Amino acid sequence: NAGVTQTPKFQVLKTGQSMTLQCAQDMNHNSMYWYRQDPGMGLRLIYYSASEGTTDKGEVPNGYNVSRLNKREFSLRLESAAPSQTSVYFCASSTQGVTYNEQFFGPGTRLTVL
Amino acid sequence: GEDVEQSLFLSVREGDSSVINCTYTDSSSTYLYWYKQEPGAGLQLLTYIFSNMDMKQDQRLTVLLNKKDKHLSLRIADTQTGDSAIYFCAERGRSGGYQKVTFGTGTKLQVIP
Repeated sequence: NAGVTQTPKFQVLKTGQSMTLQCAQDMNHNSMYWYRQDPGMGLRLIYYSASEGTTDKGEVPNGYNVSRLNKREFSLRLESAAPSQTSVYFCASSTQGVTYNEQFFGPGTRLTVL
Repeated sequence: GEDVEQSLFLSVREGDSSVINCTYTDSSSTYLYWYKQEPGAGLQLLTYIFSNMDMKQDQRLTVLLNKKDKHLSLRIADTQTGDSAIYFCAERGRSGGYQKVTFGTGTKLQVIP
């Protein structure tokens, strides 16, 4: 099992450019998440997908869109990148239910917007 | 909204015990977690505690939960250089039908040889 994979690992964009961050999981999890990590601010939820076919906004959704392509894949799109979107982006997945629901994280995408 | 707070930095000597503290505001928390992030990597679950417990021990790790004060701590006994990492406290509450997890800011643990 590869777990949660993310591409690309690093990306540099110019202000106004667009890009899509890809995420896939092979653990048959229902739920998937996109977070951003900034120094001193911890992890903040951008969007999540509780199950295939549904997506919902998290804490900081402005400037982003998502697509839950199928059960395995959840992509994050920046339509017009801004310097404030310079961050490390993590995708995660989990089951949903009454258990402790561990979230499994990908290795991250380090994005710089100039 | 829910808030989870941690101090940003902790430095300990190898062999000493480390105690990382966390406070949270959500009184409906069901589970509380400690995740570990090593440099350049994603987060990995270290341990968790159900909200009706007050202590959980797992080898060198001891988690203490004071639900009245909404305070969670992680004690690492005999801290090793390999324990150097960022430790995130997280809590799972309820937001409609979705069991939302809120992460703290992370505490960077530096272990001095």
